[in-house]
Amino acid sequence: QVQLQESGPGLVKPSETLSLTCTVSGGSISGNYWSWIRQPPGKGLEWVGYISYSGVTDYNPSLKSRVTISADTSKNQFSLKLTSVTAADTAVYYCARENWGVDTAVVVWGQGTLVTVSS
Amino acid sequence: DIQMTQSPSSLSASVGDRVTISCRASQTISTYLNWYQQKPGKAPKLLIYAASSLQSGVPSRFSGSGSGTDFTLTISSLQPEDFATYFCQQSYSPPWTFGQGSMVEIK
Repeated sequence: QVQLQESGPGLVKPSETLSLTCTVSGGSISGNYWSWIRQPPGKGLEWVGYISYSGVTDYNPSLKSRVTISADTSKNQFSLKLTSVTAADTAVYYCARENWGVDTAVVVWGQGTLVTVSS
Repeated sequence: DIQMTQSPSSLSASVGDRVTISCRASQTISTYLNWYQQKPGKAPKLLIYAASSLQSGVPSRFSGSGSGTDFTLTISSLQPEDFATYFCQQSYSPPWTFGQGSMVEIK
């Protein structure tokens, strides 16, 4: 059974870069689509973007100029970088696996990691 | 972006009640609609995909229906472990977007 685990700093200063890594266990990253989704405290869910098994990426237009998602197949990990962060980027960040096709959905979620943007 | 609107935003119900939550898309999305359950401090969990298909391991009291722009999640007989927040999500066109959530509380 595939499991996902986020890791990275829980506190980032304004204007700096948020960097998170998701380690995939129980399955290979060389397949499916891998995404990041965030949730500000007490609010709803926002899809950040994905990277496919072939390295194709797509990002939420609202974040596109600041986001990069990459993958390291040798480590079975994928990563998120978000530049020039502000307090509005404070959220629980989830890494996830998507199924694609007629049944496109987020089928596996990490436990989430809270990232606070503050000086 | 496709906007997803859920109703109600919250509801109070008793164990054994039948509960219905609605989700409306701002444009047609065929049946590219998913439902998730989220409990406090936990990640969301997929319940229903493709509008009406039950995810493996999810109790059969959960069901989904609809197509086009209007969708419904039904819990046929509410159980204590079902008190949570429910989100719909469209997977028709990126960026995937979610409804604002519907909190099911104990009456």
